[in-house]
Amino acid sequence: NAGVTQTPKFRVLKTGQSMTLLCAQDMNHEYMYWYRQDPGMGLRLIHYSVGEGTTAKGEVPDGYNVSRLKKQNFLLGLESAAPSQTSVYFCASSYQLLLEAFFGQGTRLTVV
Amino acid sequence: GESVGLHLPTLSVQEGDNSIINCAYSNSASDYFIWYKQESGKGPQFIIDIRSNMDKRQGQRVTVLLNKTVKHLSLQIAATQPGDSAVYFCAERTGGGNKLTFGTGTQLKVEL
Repeated sequence: NAGVTQTPKFRVLKTGQSMTLLCAQDMNHEYMYWYRQDPGMGLRLIHYSVGEGTTAKGEVPDGYNVSRLKKQNFLLGLESAAPSQTSVYFCASSYQLLLEAFFGQGTRLTVV
Repeated sequence: GESVGLHLPTLSVQEGDNSIINCAYSNSASDYFIWYKQESGKGPQFIIDIRSNMDKRQGQRVTVLLNKTVKHLSLQIAATQPGDSAVYFCAERTGGGNKLTFGTGTQLKVEL
């Protein structure tokens, strides 16, 4: 049972570079999310999707874009990375909006 | 504003003892509460949830108690095991079901 799979697990970017974080789930969940986790702070929602072809802004969407072209995949893009985007990013999915989410293993991103 | 926090950042217990992890919330309109467990280097894992119309819910070795009068949530773990060592954090759902606010977490350490 793969659940939620994120790639890559680690990445170092230089300021201004771009990258895409990939998330795949095999549970046929409608809802998918991207969170960031920073020391001393709770998880914060970046963007989410309520179904294939839909996306919506979360609590901290600035500097990120997302796409949900296929139901099982949710991509998070950084067009021009900034040091403030150094964080651990988690993808999650669920049957119900925001509830009982299954999380991936996380991507540790460092922007220098 | 709303907030979700924990009374104790670190909790140390002996193996076999019961653990109680606390969480305070400030939004009386919150309708759903969730507890997550996060082991080092891994993504959060759903443990148990409770609706605001309940005051107690039990799972396997875990019990969540909700006291709406004082806006307090607790997670009780019976017969704590080394595998329970992790960060535990609570989350509350507000905004008519469209917002989930996470606490910062409590580190549970199980001593042999």
